[in-house]
Amino acid sequence: EVQLVESGGGLVQPGGSLRLSCVASGFTFSENWMNWVRQVPGKGLVWVSNINGDGSRTSYADFVRGRFTISRDNAKNTLYLQMNDLSGDDSAVYYCTRWFDSWGQGILVTV
Amino acid sequence: DVVLTQSPLSLPVTLGQPASISCRSSQSLVSSDGNTFLNWYQQRPGQSPRRLIYKVSNRDSGVPDRFSGSGSGTDFTLRISRVEAEDVAVYYCMQGTHWPPWTFGQGTKVEIK
Repeated sequence: EVQLVESGGGLVQPGGSLRLSCVASGFTFSENWMNWVRQVPGKGLVWVSNINGDGSRTSYADFVRGRFTISRDNAKNTLYLQMNDLSGDDSAVYYCTRWFDSWGQGILVTV
Repeated sequence: DVVLTQSPLSLPVTLGQPASISCRSSQSLVSSDGNTFLNWYQQRPGQSPRRLIYKVSNRDSGVPDRFSGSGSGTDFTLRISRVEAEDVAVYYCMQGTHWPPWTFGQGTKVEIK
């Protein structure tokens, strides 16, 4: 069974930084693209970033490019999202998802 | 960027009756390899999104057969043949043909009348 468990969220001051983690299990992590999607409570889903299996290719939504960095450690089956220069607009629940078929439970970030 | 427009945004339905949600794309979602990457998701209150349908009409494992997807090009539909209480949720379409970015519709809230 695929499991994705996010951690690292919380309350941070504007301009601050936070690193989200997502530990994966139940599948071959290194062979899968991974994504971060966020959702302001009560609002819709918005794609944030993704990374290929070996970490050599990444993509970002325009509104996070230059502030957020996605990465992965395949030895630890873990996906990361380093978020810098945070603002109130970044407050949301952040989900990690394996190619949009399996999703974590989400982690709340409040700026 | 591809814009997905869902309608209606709110859908009150009587238990046992059918429901239909439309998703229209600002451009064709047919990819160069002939696939159409249009998915449907269900998000129950307080839960993560769950994929129901991928590539327009393929049901995910464990999804009841009362859910079906159809469409082509720019027009797509999610149908629930007989709504049950557990179907109360927000439903999203998502396109993965023209990326980045992957884009979602605004969501349609299905509730029981």
